[in-house]
Amino acid sequence: NAGVMQNPRHLVRRRGQEARLRCSPMKGHSHVYWYRQLPEEGLKFMVYLQKENIIDESGMPKERFSAEFPKEGPSILRIQQVVRGDSAAYFCASSPPRGLYNEQFFGPGTRLTVL
Amino acid sequence: QQQVKQSPQSLIVQKGGISIINCAYENTAFDYFPWYQQFPGKGPALLIAIRPDVSEKKEGRFTISFNKSAKQFSLHIMDSQPGDSATYFCAPFETSGSRLTFGEGTQLTVNP
Repeated sequence: NAGVMQNPRHLVRRRGQEARLRCSPMKGHSHVYWYRQLPEEGLKFMVYLQKENIIDESGMPKERFSAEFPKEGPSILRIQQVVRGDSAAYFCASSPPRGLYNEQFFGPGTRLTVL
Repeated sequence: QQQVKQSPQSLIVQKGGISIINCAYENTAFDYFPWYQQFPGKGPALLIAIRPDVSEKKEGRFTISFNKSAKQFSLHIMDSQPGDSATYFCAPFETSGSRLTFGEGTQLTVNP
């Protein structure tokens, strides 16, 4: 039973380029969450998606960042016109359809470096 | 607004000792209290969690103590081992919402 998969594991971009991060949830999981971890800090919530729907994007920066979880395929976190401050580890988590206390299972993360 | 405050930032313990990490929160709507363990280069993994209707939960060498009135919960690692060396995060959760609210992390080092 494969866990949450993220790719690429490492991504290097120059300022102004676009970054696309992919997340495939665990089998049977229909809920996806994206978190960002800056160096020496805890993870910060960005967005919560279900298939074809954004449920909560209150943690997403207002500009340049977008996320989707299409009916088919992985969830995508897109960062347009990257800046140095976007350098961080981006983690995706998934959970099964909502129960009372749903554990979120994390992927290994994508480490984005902006030169 | 710092909703979750974790302490200490770092902790060094000898093998066989007890590691204690504390978490204080402000949001009284939190109703699920997990601890996550993260190794370098990996994503966080759920270690142990407690619901607010109990004051203590033990799983092997790991124990959570929960004090609802003080809005605090702590992780105790008994007989700490070098393999426990990792970063630990408290991440209380509001089940009516969707997000885990992570503390800033405690880097635990267990010396052999």
